[in-house]
Amino acid sequence: SQQGEEDPQALSIQEGENATMNCSYKTSINNLQWYRQNSGRGLVHLILIRSNEREKHSGRLRVTLDTSKKSSSLLITASRAADTASYFCAPFNGLGNDMRFGAGTRLTVKP
Amino acid sequence: EAQVTQNPRYLITVTGKKLTVTCSQNMNHEYMSWYRQDPGLGLRQIYYSMNVEVTDKGDVPEGYKVSRKEKRNFPLILESPSPNQTSLYFCASSLDRGKNEQFFGPGTRLTVL
Repeated sequence: SQQGEEDPQALSIQEGENATMNCSYKTSINNLQWYRQNSGRGLVHLILIRSNEREKHSGRLRVTLDTSKKSSSLLITASRAADTASYFCAPFNGLGNDMRFGAGTRLTVKP
Repeated sequence: EAQVTQNPRYLITVTGKKLTVTCSQNMNHEYMSWYRQDPGLGLRQIYYSMNVEVTDKGDVPEGYKVSRKEKRNFPLILESPSPNQTSLYFCASSLDRGKNEQFFGPGTRLTVL
């Protein structure tokens, strides 16, 4: 099965700065999804990027995908304190029930 | 409002006392799944269901049962809970596995004494 591995495990920045989180995976994918989780709450879907896409935007979020390196990155621009959360990637290769979450990146945005 | 609901949200119980955590979605989704989340381990899938009467094991199914008699409901059953099942549990649903976003419930925090 395929699991995304997020890096770094934890990230602390000041409000207004950009935050970049990375995700690596091992096999070819159909798509890769990013989710956010506020402390103790359910995950919320952020972006889905398909294997034939290289970049996708949603508001202050920018996701890139490099299938040759089997990696993806999530960039949050002009971060806010409300962006403080854990972020997870979930690669999906289209086979079986292959959508696994890693341990996530814990982002702290200081006001 | 499109949502996944779970009940109860919090539960403290004792070893061996059977319990059920309910999960319901109102989006007519075919795919539903259960996860547990433990510190440092991320989310691990317990069971999933591709459709009514179709269920399968995830990565950590031991000690759990599920059923999918109706499309909207996917209860998680702990026949004889043990302290190592103390965790935060999430139910999720989506149109299909992997190709679309998953909608997560608010979570159930279970403590087994």
